Amino acid sequence: DSGVTQTPKHLITATGQRVTLRCSPRSGDLSVYWYQQSLDQGLQFLIQYYNGEERAKGNILERFSAQQFPDLHSELNLSSLELGDSALYFCASSAAKRDEKLFFGSGTQLSVL
Amino acid sequence: GIQVEQSPPDLILQEGANSTLRCNFSDSVNNLQWFHQNPWGQLINLFYIPSGTKQNGRLSATTVATERYSLLYISSSQTTDSGVYFCAVVRSGGSNYKLTFGKGTLLTVNP
Repeated sequence: DSGVTQTPKHLITATGQRVTLRCSPRSGDLSVYWYQQSLDQGLQFLIQYYNGEERAKGNILERFSAQQFPDLHSELNLSSLELGDSALYFCASSAAKRDEKLFFGSGTQLSVL
Repeated sequence: GIQVEQSPPDLILQEGANSTLRCNFSDSVNNLQWFHQNPWGQLINLFYIPSGTKQNGRLSATTVATERYSLLYISSSQTTDSGVYFCAVVRSGGSNYKLTFGKGTLLTVNP
């Protein structure tokens, strides 16, 4: 168990809908990262938050947004969903801003039908 | 951005065999990590190894940062070692912490 908790584990929804994925980092970790894993793109970095502030942005679509709350949990919001958004979404956490070992949650499998 | 190439893409072993997985990267890095994704999809951090050598049980890793490669050694493989092994790096001098993953090596260990 990595200590990073993601909910839900599975999510099935329809095109055009909006969903929210939730992540609780390891106790004491200030950084939260979101990654998307798909068969064609592999593991892609989406966004990083450090202590409530956006720290780095990767290949995140404009339809997607995230935030980190004062209690350090994070949410990834995906809207106007398309079939191609079906993927495994991972949250990871680390203690610091950078140069740290990452610990991943078990992921949320999103299926857009 | 930085390129990460892993080889071989696929590897099939008999239980008890040893193997070496390679990760080449195209630029200087200050962070390199190896992960194992098990058949249930869970990503497990094996090593944080931007340079040098580390060992953890049957697994060991070596990173030669000056030559831009890292190796993951698996000895006396077991069926539970099956899964995908990823190398991931952060480019030195970057303004953010973006861990870039390779495409992985799919390891199958047969009993």
